[in-house]
Amino acid sequence: EAGVAQSPRYKIIEKRQSVAFWCNPISGHATLYWYQQILGQGPKLLIQFQNNGVVDDSQLPKDRFSAERLKGVDSTLKIQPAKLEDSAVYLCASSLGQGDVETQYFGPGTRLLVL
Amino acid sequence: GQNIDQPTEMTATEGAIVQINCTYQTSGFNGLFWYQQHAGEAPTFLSYNVLDGLEEKGRFSSFLSRSKGYSYLLLKELQMKDSASYLCAVKDSNYQLIWGAGTKLIIKP
Repeated sequence: EAGVAQSPRYKIIEKRQSVAFWCNPISGHATLYWYQQILGQGPKLLIQFQNNGVVDDSQLPKDRFSAERLKGVDSTLKIQPAKLEDSAVYLCASSLGQGDVETQYFGPGTRLLVL
Repeated sequence: GQNIDQPTEMTATEGAIVQINCTYQTSGFNGLFWYQQHAGEAPTFLSYNVLDGLEEKGRFSSFLSRSKGYSYLLLKELQMKDSASYLCAVKDSNYQLIWGAGTKLIIKP
């Protein structure tokens, strides 16, 4: 079974530029998560989708971040414009559902450096 | 507020046993997860506890006490490849995962 796919793996941009990340979850997984992980910290949930609907985006900085999952499968996360403090690893995860026993499986992440 | 506490860093010797503690205060409880994260890699699932007691899986065991808001991950027969960060995460009443900052485990020969 293929795992969660993400691209690109690395990205370096200058502040005020825009950037987009792509994620393809494990086949059949209805729930998709985008996390931001700053070095030395645990993952911070940015947005959670259930199929193509948003379940939780309370910690998404909506003035600069946006995400979509139009067909309920793959997803894109965009930052526009980027700030220095956006330098982090952006992790995508998926799970079958969102119940108590549902385990989240993570992709390899995209390492973003904003200069 | 919701809070997960775990030590920032621990050091242990190859072949020994180490216990990584996690205490939590969350709005509701729907299970506790332990993940392993090697440097520069994504977290990978280790264990899940929802009832009190010990869950054993090979060299790794995880314990939960819901009344005390406490869990630990026990690693036996430590190997150099166990050097990684160990993340504790709790599902709250909304089934959202609340993550700790992780414990960096350093294994010395």
